[in-house]
Amino acid sequence: DAGVTQSPTHLIKTRGQHVTLRCSPISGHKSVSWYQQVLGQGPQFIFQYYEKEERGRGNFPDRFSARQFPNYSSELNVNALLLGDSALYLCASSFLGVYRRNEQFFGPGTRLTVL
Amino acid sequence: GIQVEQSPPDLILQEGANSTLRCNFSDSVNNLQWFHQNPWGQLINLFYIPSGTKQNGRLSATTVATERYSLLYISSSQTTDSGVYFCAVEKDSSYKLIFGSGTRLLVRP
Repeated sequence: DAGVTQSPTHLIKTRGQHVTLRCSPISGHKSVSWYQQVLGQGPQFIFQYYEKEERGRGNFPDRFSARQFPNYSSELNVNALLLGDSALYLCASSFLGVYRRNEQFFGPGTRLTVL
Repeated sequence: GIQVEQSPPDLILQEGANSTLRCNFSDSVNNLQWFHQNPWGQLINLFYIPSGTKQNGRLSATTVATERYSLLYISSSQTTDSGVYFCAVEKDSSYKLIFGSGTRLLVRP
Protein backbone atom coordinates (compact mmCIF):
# COMPACT_ATOMS: atom_id res chain seq x y z
CA ASP A 1 0.00 0.00 0.00
CA ALA A 2 1.22 3.47 -0.85
CA GLY A 3 2.06 5.76 2.03
CA VAL A 4 1.61 9.51 2.12
CA THR A 5 2.97 11.11 -1.04
CA GLN A 6 4.10 14.69 -1.53
CA SER A 7 5.14 16.73 -4.53
CA PRO A 8 7.43 18.23 -5.52
CA THR A 9 10.41 16.77 -3.64
CA HIS A 10 12.48 19.93 -3.89
CA LEU A 11 11.62 23.47 -4.88
CA ILE A 12 13.63 26.66 -5.27
CA LYS A 13 11.82 30.01 -5.29
CA THR A 14 12.76 33.65 -4.92
CA ARG A 15 11.45 36.11 -2.36
CA GLY A 16 7.97 37.42 -3.10
CA GLN A 17 6.92 34.44 -5.19
CA HIS A 18 4.06 32.05 -4.49
CA VAL A 19 4.35 28.28 -3.98
CA THR A 20 1.89 25.36 -3.96
CA LEU A 21 2.75 22.07 -2.30
CA ARG A 22 0.67 18.93 -2.77
CA CYS A 23 -0.10 15.92 -0.62
CA SER A 24 -2.00 12.67 -1.10
CA PRO A 25 -2.98 10.80 2.06
CA ILE A 26 -2.90 7.08 2.72
CA SER A 27 -5.89 5.41 1.08
CA GLY A 28 -8.85 5.53 3.47
CA HIS A 29 -7.46 8.39 5.54
CA LYS A 30 -9.68 11.46 5.61
CA SER A 31 -7.48 13.83 7.63
CA VAL A 32 -4.44 15.71 6.37
CA SER A 33 -2.10 17.89 8.42
CA TRP A 34 0.73 20.19 7.36
CA TYR A 35 3.91 20.90 9.33
CA GLN A 36 6.94 23.12 8.79
CA GLN A 37 10.35 21.90 9.94
CA VAL A 38 13.20 24.37 10.06
CA LEU A 39 16.71 22.93 10.20
CA GLY A 40 17.62 21.72 13.67
CA GLN A 41 14.11 21.95 15.11
CA GLY A 42 11.07 19.73 15.49
CA PRO A 43 8.14 20.09 13.07
CA GLN A 44 5.70 22.94 13.76
CA PHE A 45 1.97 22.47 13.10
CA ILE A 46 0.45 24.62 10.35
CA PHE A 47 -3.01 23.21 9.49
CA GLN A 48 -5.22 20.18 9.82
CA TYR A 49 -8.12 19.34 7.52
CA TYR A 50 -10.70 16.64 8.14
CA GLU A 51 -13.56 15.89 5.77
CA LYS A 52 -12.57 18.98 3.76
CA GLU A 53 -12.98 21.34 6.72
CA GLU A 54 -10.20 23.16 8.56
CA ARG A 55 -10.07 21.67 12.09
CA GLY A 56 -6.90 23.26 13.41
CA ARG A 57 -4.56 26.12 12.61
CA GLY A 58 -1.12 26.83 14.03
CA ASN A 59 0.57 30.15 14.65
CA PHE A 60 1.42 31.02 11.06
CA PRO A 61 0.66 34.23 9.12
CA ASP A 62 -2.20 34.56 6.65
CA ARG A 63 0.27 34.09 3.81
CA PHE A 64 -0.15 30.38 4.54
CA SER A 65 -3.36 28.75 3.36
CA ALA A 66 -4.52 25.26 2.56
CA ARG A 67 -7.45 23.29 1.27
CA GLN A 68 -8.59 19.70 1.02
CA PHE A 69 -10.23 18.23 -2.04
CA PRO A 70 -13.10 15.71 -2.32
CA ASN A 71 -10.57 12.88 -2.81
CA TYR A 72 -8.93 14.00 0.52
CA SER A 73 -5.72 15.20 -1.13
CA SER A 74 -4.53 18.61 -0.02
CA GLU A 75 -2.63 21.69 -1.13
CA LEU A 76 -0.59 24.08 0.97
CA ASN A 77 -0.15 27.55 -0.51
CA VAL A 78 2.34 30.14 0.63
CA ASN A 79 2.21 33.68 -0.78
CA ALA A 80 4.84 36.43 -0.75
CA LEU A 81 7.65 34.06 0.16
CA LEU A 82 10.25 35.19 2.69
CA LEU A 83 13.75 33.82 3.24
CA GLY A 84 12.52 32.44 6.57
CA ASP A 85 10.01 30.21 4.77
CA SER A 86 12.89 27.97 3.69
CA ALA A 87 12.17 24.66 5.39
CA LEU A 88 11.06 21.07 5.00
CA TYR A 89 7.26 20.96 4.62
CA LEU A 90 5.73 17.75 5.88
CA CYS A 91 2.30 16.37 5.24
CA ALA A 92 0.71 13.77 7.51
CA SER A 93 -2.48 11.76 7.21
CA SER A 94 -4.60 10.04 9.82
CA PHE A 95 -7.78 7.97 9.78
CA LEU A 96 -9.44 9.42 12.91
CA GLY A 97 -12.67 7.40 12.77
CA VAL A 98 -15.27 6.90 15.51
CA TYR A 99 -12.68 6.63 18.27
CA ARG A 100 -10.78 9.63 16.97
CA ARG A 101 -7.43 7.88 16.90
CA ASN A 102 -5.24 10.67 15.52
CA GLU A 103 -2.19 8.53 14.75
CA GLN A 104 -0.39 10.55 12.09
CA PHE A 105 1.72 9.11 9.27
CA PHE A 106 4.12 11.41 7.48
CA GLY A 107 5.14 11.82 3.87
CA PRO A 108 8.74 12.33 2.68
CA GLY A 109 8.37 16.12 2.66
CA THR A 110 9.00 18.95 0.23
CA ARG A 111 12.21 20.85 0.75
CA LEU A 112 11.62 24.52 -0.09
CA THR A 113 14.50 26.92 -0.56
CA VAL A 114 13.76 30.65 -0.87
CA LEU A 115 16.54 32.76 -2.36
CA GLY B 1 0.61 25.91 25.67
CA ILE B 2 1.86 22.44 26.42
CA GLN B 3 5.62 21.99 26.67
CA VAL B 4 7.43 18.88 25.43
CA GLU B 5 10.99 18.29 26.59
CA GLN B 6 13.23 15.52 25.36
CA SER B 7 16.45 14.28 26.88
CA PRO B 8 19.25 13.84 26.25
CA PRO B 9 19.59 16.24 23.31
CA ASP B 10 22.51 14.27 21.90
CA LEU B 11 23.62 10.69 22.39
CA ILE B 12 26.58 8.75 21.00
CA LEU B 13 26.60 4.97 21.35
CA GLN B 14 28.80 2.11 20.31
CA GLU B 15 27.03 -0.48 18.20
CA GLY B 16 25.38 -3.07 20.44
CA ALA B 17 24.76 -0.72 23.36
CA ASN B 18 21.36 -0.02 24.91
CA SER B 19 19.82 3.41 25.48
CA THR B 20 16.82 5.16 27.01
CA LEU B 21 15.32 8.34 25.60
CA ARG B 22 12.93 10.42 27.70
CA CYS B 23 10.01 12.69 26.85
CA ASN B 24 8.40 14.90 29.50
CA PHE B 25 5.20 16.83 28.84
CA SER B 26 3.64 19.56 30.93
CA ASP B 27 -0.06 18.66 30.72
CA SER B 28 -2.40 15.72 30.13
CA VAL B 29 -2.47 14.41 26.58
CA ASN B 30 -4.74 12.18 24.53
CA ASN B 31 -2.12 11.20 21.95
CA LEU B 32 1.60 10.50 22.12
CA GLN B 33 3.74 9.28 19.26
CA TRP B 34 7.43 8.46 18.86
CA PHE B 35 9.12 9.02 15.49
CA HIS B 36 12.55 8.38 13.99
CA GLN B 37 13.69 10.93 11.42
CA ASN B 38 16.24 9.46 9.04
CA PRO B 39 19.01 11.50 7.35
CA TRP B 40 16.74 12.14 4.36
CA GLY B 41 14.11 13.79 6.53
CA GLN B 42 11.52 11.03 6.51
CA LEU B 43 9.61 10.71 9.78
CA ILE B 44 9.06 7.05 10.53
CA ASN B 45 6.36 6.00 12.99
CA LEU B 46 7.72 4.00 15.89
CA PHE B 47 4.90 3.94 18.43
CA TYR B 48 1.42 5.36 19.04
CA ILE B 49 1.40 5.17 22.83
CA PRO B 50 -0.81 7.57 24.83
CA SER B 51 -0.44 5.17 27.77
CA GLY B 52 0.98 1.77 28.65
CA THR B 53 3.85 -0.25 27.21
CA LYS B 54 4.52 -1.53 23.70
CA GLN B 55 7.35 -3.46 22.09
CA ASN B 56 8.43 -3.80 18.49
CA GLY B 57 11.58 -5.81 17.97
CA ARG B 58 14.55 -4.07 19.58
CA LEU B 59 12.44 -1.04 20.44
CA SER B 60 10.00 -0.62 23.27
CA ALA B 61 8.16 2.34 24.76
CA THR B 62 6.39 3.13 27.99
CA THR B 63 4.10 6.09 28.70
CA VAL B 64 3.07 6.93 32.26
CA ALA B 65 0.33 9.43 31.52
CA THR B 66 -0.38 10.25 35.18
CA GLU B 67 3.25 11.30 35.67
CA ARG B 68 3.48 12.98 32.24
CA TYR B 69 6.44 11.18 30.74
CA SER B 70 7.29 8.60 28.12
CA LEU B 71 10.41 6.50 27.60
CA LEU B 72 11.78 4.95 24.42
CA TYR B 73 14.16 2.02 24.85
CA ILE B 74 16.57 0.96 22.13
CA SER B 75 18.39 -2.31 22.72
CA SER B 76 21.38 -3.73 20.84
CA SER B 77 21.70 -0.52 18.83
CA GLN B 78 22.72 -0.65 15.18
CA THR B 79 24.25 2.03 12.93
CA THR B 80 20.93 2.26 11.11
CA ASP B 81 19.34 3.51 14.35
CA SER B 82 21.22 6.80 13.90
CA GLY B 83 19.08 9.86 13.32
CA VAL B 84 16.79 12.10 15.33
CA TYR B 85 14.10 10.70 17.61
CA PHE B 86 11.04 12.87 18.21
CA CYS B 87 8.28 12.63 20.74
CA ALA B 88 5.01 14.37 19.79
CA VAL B 89 1.84 14.88 21.82
CA GLU B 90 -1.73 16.03 21.21
CA LYS B 91 -3.78 17.75 23.91
CA ASP B 92 -7.56 17.99 24.24
CA SER B 93 -8.20 16.40 20.85
CA SER B 94 -6.85 19.58 19.26
CA TYR B 95 -5.84 17.73 16.08
CA LYS B 96 -2.29 19.12 16.21
CA LEU B 97 0.85 17.30 17.28
CA ILE B 98 3.31 19.28 19.41
CA PHE B 99 6.84 18.03 18.89
CA GLY B 100 9.76 18.04 21.27
CA SER B 101 13.15 19.25 20.09
CA GLY B 102 14.36 15.71 19.55
CA THR B 103 17.24 13.46 20.61
CA ARG B 104 20.02 13.19 18.05
CA LEU B 105 21.46 9.66 18.16
CA LEU B 106 24.70 8.55 16.55
CA VAL B 107 25.57 4.85 16.66
CA ARG B 108 29.21 4.13 15.83
CA PRO B 109 30.33 0.78 14.35
